[in-house]
Amino acid sequence: DAEITQSPRHKITETGRQVTLACHQTWNHNNMFWYRQDLGHGLRLIHYSYGVQDTNKGEVSDGYSVSRSNTEDLPLTLESAASSQTSVYFCASARTGGTEAFFGQGTRLTVV
Amino acid sequence: GIQVEQSPPDLILQEGANSTLRCNFSDSVNNLQWFHQNPWGQLINLFYIPSGTKQNGRLSATTVATERYSLLYISSSQTTDSGVYFCAVTSYAGGTSYGKLTFGQGTILTVHP
Repeated sequence: DAEITQSPRHKITETGRQVTLACHQTWNHNNMFWYRQDLGHGLRLIHYSYGVQDTNKGEVSDGYSVSRSNTEDLPLTLESAASSQTSVYFCASARTGGTEAFFGQGTRLTVV
Repeated sequence: GIQVEQSPPDLILQEGANSTLRCNFSDSVNNLQWFHQNPWGQLINLFYIPSGTKQNGRLSATTVATERYSLLYISSSQTTDSGVYFCAVTSYAGGTSYGKLTFGQGTILTVHP
């Protein structure tokens, strides 16, 4: 079955370190998204991509970057991790056309 | 940007009860989804329903796009229905918003045995 997977599921890192969260989907969806979930804020969009070599900033993009070198993967990089980036991160994908989005299992990131 | 409001914020039920969750949105949408976030944090797709009515077992949803709201009905609730229910939308407003979901704050549902 097609799916979307995130790794790692849990990570603890130190302030100032670079961290990369992986997202891989096998649906061949063009559209991929990264969200973060925090208490009191729901899910907020970090970055998104509509295809290979396309990346765009979302609502809360400061301190994050993404790259899209193929259809299947959209890794999220925290350039210099900060405690404010402690959160649960979700990756999602959808077909072109703004149709139903599917989410990965989430990655719980703790920055100490 | 588009605003999404869900009500009620919290709901406590006894097993077997019925409930209605509401989602109001501030602009025209081309996508509306309902999700259930289970106690393990997983987001489960319930409905893709930009308009009309759908049913899946004990759950059903109705979106009245012209009046900018959607309702999620849960009948004969079970303890496994507990969790957070999210409504998320994508607005028509400009090509830059295409496909991007804006989430409501969620309704926390607790079903007691």
